[in-house]
Amino acid sequence: NAGVTQTPKFRILKIGQSMTLQCTQDMNHNYMYWYRQDPGMGLKLIYYSVGAGITDKGEVPNGYNVSRSTTEDFPLRLELAAPSQTSVYFCASSLETNYEQYFGPGTRLTVT
Amino acid sequence: GENVEQHPSTLSVQEGDSAVIKCTYSDSASNYFPWYKQELGKGPQLIIDIRSNVGEKKDQRIAVTLNKTAKHFSLHITETQPEDSAVYFCAASTSNFNKFYFGSGTKLNVKP
Repeated sequence: NAGVTQTPKFRILKIGQSMTLQCTQDMNHNYMYWYRQDPGMGLKLIYYSVGAGITDKGEVPNGYNVSRSTTEDFPLRLELAAPSQTSVYFCASSLETNYEQYFGPGTRLTVT
Repeated sequence: GENVEQHPSTLSVQEGDSAVIKCTYSDSASNYFPWYKQELGKGPQLIIDIRSNVGEKKDQRIAVTLNKTAKHFSLHITETQPEDSAVYFCAASTSNFNKFYFGSGTKLNVKP
């Protein structure tokens, strides 16, 4: 079991560029989440999904989009990158709601 | 939405001493309270969790207490070791909304 994998590990974007952060889990979890973590802060939920084809907004969804076409994959799309999106992004998954979330290693994104 | 506050932001203890980290939450419907440990450069990892029908839970040197009336819960680490040094996050969620709200984190430093 690889758990939750994320690619890339690091990325530098110019303002206005777009990119997709990839997330894959091999635990057959229904629930998947995207968080951002700003320096010295906790994690804030961007989007989450309760199963293939079902997604919903979290606390800070503006500037991001997600899709969930399979149980395993939950990519996060950044359109028109802005400096405010400089952060570390974590993907997580859980078997059920209110159960342990398993986190990936994170993607460090810098927008300049 | 839920508001989770965590204190202190940094905590320095001598090896062998105890460490206590406290969190408060605002939504009385919250019923699941996990604690995560994040080591440098890694994603958070669950160390212990408690549900609202339980007042205390213990796992070796780690314990969590919950006071639903006062809406606060605490993490207790006894006999601290240098490998306990990390950032610890509390979180709260309800079973209705599939959303986790994280505290801002406590950086624990255990001095040998």
